[in-house]
Amino acid sequence: GAVVSQHPSWVICKSGTSVKIECRSLDFQATTMFWYRQFPKQSLMLMATSNEGSKATYEQGVEKDKFLINHASLTLSTLTVTSAHPEDSSFYICSARPGHNEKLFFGSGTQLSVL
Amino acid sequence: TQLLEQSPQFLSIQEGENLTVYCNSSSVFSSLQWYRQEPGEGPVLLVTVVTGGEVKKLKRLTFQFGDARKDSSLHITAAQPGDTGLYLCGGTSYDKVIFGPGTSLSVIP
Repeated sequence: GAVVSQHPSWVICKSGTSVKIECRSLDFQATTMFWYRQFPKQSLMLMATSNEGSKATYEQGVEKDKFLINHASLTLSTLTVTSAHPEDSSFYICSARPGHNEKLFFGSGTQLSVL
Repeated sequence: TQLLEQSPQFLSIQEGENLTVYCNSSSVFSSLQWYRQEPGEGPVLLVTVVTGGEVKKLKRLTFQFGDARKDSSLHITAAQPGDTGLYLCGGTSYDKVIFGPGTSLSVIP
């Protein structure tokens, strides 16, 4: 099956620093990628939809200047958490979809801990 | 705003028992997916249901899509400890997938 690689798996950073998370589709081209965040024992909350070559579409309540998304190629999308604070600590998961196929393939997630 | 509800949110059962998890919405979805997620990992797709009334079986798991494509159920027969995890239903509408709150299942040996 299709593989989505997410890196890093976990990151610990100091408050005020920025953290970049990468999401790569390894064996298919993904015109659309999605970024989710998940708190312990809770569901995935969609943050934004990322389309290759265009600006990301953010869900209501998600600060676009706080969570910068770049989908520069058909196989790579990045999420940068800028000026991270402890409340940004969460599990971030990306997913990718090949073309108009509705099946989503998920990365393994990134656990972010902001001290 | 489209919302997906799942019930129950938590379920703890003995090995060998049967269980059903429900996913409901007031909205119509073009398809519904069921995922299973283990701690610290991304969700893994179990099945996609597309047609109203559709029933799909995956070994001991039976998935059903409601006739109106607003609800779905997941039935597990003779649950095993390896079935433990967070079960998520996801609904596809327009260009995105939204998820229900999940059902955390614990199967006790």
